[in-house]
Amino acid sequence: DAGVTQSPTHLIKTRGQQVTLRCSPKSGHDTVSWYQQALGQGPQFIFQYYEEEERQRGNFPDRFSGHQFPNYSSELNVNALLLGDSALYLCASSLLKAGREETQYFGPGTRLLVL
Amino acid sequence: AQTVTQSQPEMSVQEAETVTLSCTYDTSENNYYLFWYKQPPSRQMILVIRQEAYKQQNATENRFSVNFQKAAKSFSLKISDSQLGDTAMYFCAFITNFGNEKLTFGTGTRLTIIP
Repeated sequence: DAGVTQSPTHLIKTRGQQVTLRCSPKSGHDTVSWYQQALGQGPQFIFQYYEEEERQRGNFPDRFSGHQFPNYSSELNVNALLLGDSALYLCASSLLKAGREETQYFGPGTRLLVL
Repeated sequence: AQTVTQSQPEMSVQEAETVTLSCTYDTSENNYYLFWYKQPPSRQMILVIRQEAYKQQNATENRFSVNFQKAAKSFSLKISDSQLGDTAMYFCAFITNFGNEKLTFGTGTRLTIIP
């Protein structure tokens, strides 16, 4: 049973650049949520994708955008990177359709460093 | 506002002893799910245990159990016979139902198991 996978594992960018992070959900799941975890903090919700649409969004600027593909995988894009965007980005998957499963299972994360 | 409070930033315990991590939360919802996640140095967020708010019986998973007090909005995690592999950050989190399936996390408790 394939778990949640994320790529890349590490990434270094400079201020002003753009970055794309990728996530494949756990087998059988249809929903992907993205979280940002700053050093020493708990994860903060960025947004959630279901049926290829952004279903809900946390308190993040429009520089953060995403996409969900027909195979349920997802991308997180961040434009005009700031130093403060340096964090661990976590992807989590769950199931919203019939037989829904509220439990979110996490991937290993992508560590982004902005210089 | 939905919040989670973990009042113990750090804890340490001898191997084989029992330790209890505290968590309180605040929500106006009546239906929700509570979780404890473990994040070892490898940084992968791993589900430890979950509790449905409508169930009065406390959840258990092998050496892990919870003490869920709905009226007090308290959700503590007890680890029995602690092992070196239990060393990690532990996050308490909850998710509400009905279209708001984002996890709200606490700030975490760093648990160290001493050999």
